[in-house]
Amino acid sequence: EAQVTQNPRYLITVTGKKLTVTCSQNMNHEYMSWYRQDPGLGLRQIYYSMNVEVTDKGDVPEGYKVSRKEKRNFPLILESPSPNQTSLYFCASRGNWRTDTQYFGPGTRLTVL
Amino acid sequence: GIQVEQSPPDLILQEGANSTLRCNFSDSVNNLQWFHQNPWGQLINLFYIPSGTKQNGRLSATTVATERYSLLYISSSQTTDSGVYFCAVGVYSSGNTPLVFGKGTRLSVIA
Repeated sequence: EAQVTQNPRYLITVTGKKLTVTCSQNMNHEYMSWYRQDPGLGLRQIYYSMNVEVTDKGDVPEGYKVSRKEKRNFPLILESPSPNQTSLYFCASRGNWRTDTQYFGPGTRLTVL
Repeated sequence: GIQVEQSPPDLILQEGANSTLRCNFSDSVNNLQWFHQNPWGQLINLFYIPSGTKQNGRLSATTVATERYSLLYISSSQTTDSGVYFCAVGVYSSGNTPLVFGKGTRLSVIA
C-alpha cells in the first residue's frame, strides 16, 4: 500500500530536549516536505527536499533541521524545542517538485512543556 | 503570494443532503488538490484537479483554471463526511512548489 508514515504520532516533551520525528514514504517520490498546522494560521511549510541531499527552507524554518540521506526518509529534527513549537506536524511527499498528487502522513501531535 | 479563499467557512447539513464547496484563488496555478481532514486530524486526498472535472463515488470536483476557481460537490452526505475540507494550490517558485492551503470549510453532517 502506498503511504507516508510518521513516528511518533503523539509526543509530549520538555523545553530543550532534542527530538526527531521520522518520516518515510514507499512511493519512490523525489519531493518531500514538512508542514505544521496551527489554529488560525493553517498549514505552513517548514522545509522541503527535491531529492537526496537537496533540502531548503520553507516558510517557517526557524528552530528546525532536516536531512535527506535516503530517498524514502526525511526526518524533522528539533534541536532545542520550545513551547511555540507545540503543533500538529505533517510530512508529505509527491512524485516531483513541479506537480503531481501530494500525499500526507497521519500527523504528529507535539506538545512542548 | 497567492491567496486561496474557501466558502462557506462553516456548513451544517442533514444526512442525505447535497452541498457545494468553493475555492477561489488569486493567480494561475500548476497544482490544485482537495483534502478532507477527518476528526482525528488526518489529511485525506480527495482530488488532484488543476483543471477539468473528476468524480469519485459521491464526491466530484470541477476546476475552471481560466476563471480561478474550483468546486467540490458532495452528494447524499453522510455523518462520516464531517470534518474540514481544504483546497490547496501550488505555484512554481524557484524550484519549490509548496501547497498553499485555504482556511477550509468545516462541514458537520447531522443524522
